[in-house]
Amino acid sequence: VQLVESGGGLVQPGGSLRLSCEASGFNFNRYWMSWVRQAPGKGLEWVANIKEDGSEKYYVDSVKGRFAISRDNAKNTLYLQMNSTRVEDTAVYYCARFDWLLAVDYWGQGTLVTVSS
Amino acid sequence: EIVMTQSPATLSVSPGDSATLSCRASQSVGINLAWYQQRPGQAPSLLIYGASTWAAGIPARFRGSGSGTEFTLTISSLQSEDFAVYYCLQYNDWPPWSFGQGTKLEIK
Repeated sequence: VQLVESGGGLVQPGGSLRLSCEASGFNFNRYWMSWVRQAPGKGLEWVANIKEDGSEKYYVDSVKGRFAISRDNAKNTLYLQMNSTRVEDTAVYYCARFDWLLAVDYWGQGTLVTVSS
Repeated sequence: EIVMTQSPATLSVSPGDSATLSCRASQSVGINLAWYQQRPGQAPSLLIYGASTWAAGIPARFRGSGSGTEFTLTISSLQSEDFAVYYCLQYNDWPPWSFGQGTKLEIK
């Protein structure tokens, strides 16, 4: 199992960024997928989940209406569209696989998003 | 929303000794509780799921216990690579998932 994030970088407050996570080594379309973030020196914060077929999506309150999780099962890729970014969105964003029995069992290496002027 | 509280925030232990980390839920999560280890500069990795089941490749010196609202991660015979930050996660009632704030295990 491998999860490889990309797309992080520096963005100005109010700007947009799209993160991608390429999955391999497992049947991507059989798993819920998640984004979890970690602000510098802080703990882990769940951001969003998406069902296997993309029909259900859930978000932490602080990103609702600004972020959008999506997936392309044909490309084995998970996305996070980040709009109206805020300084407090600065964090390492991890892509993760969710299993109903094992919880979050695989994590990517993370991609750093810095929101700053 | 379920709030997960870990204690202590920092634990200083000597190599070879044992460490006991606690995680408390604001309401019952059954056994849907996982523990993660995060070493500096690395992504978290799964240690325990279902409150007490070892993830693949995890040594037996890591032991999870508890149910409902009280959970414990015990690490025996501490080795140098065990000094890291540990997080609990409840996945019983979501959204949102709830992580604890973490316990930093440091060398005494």
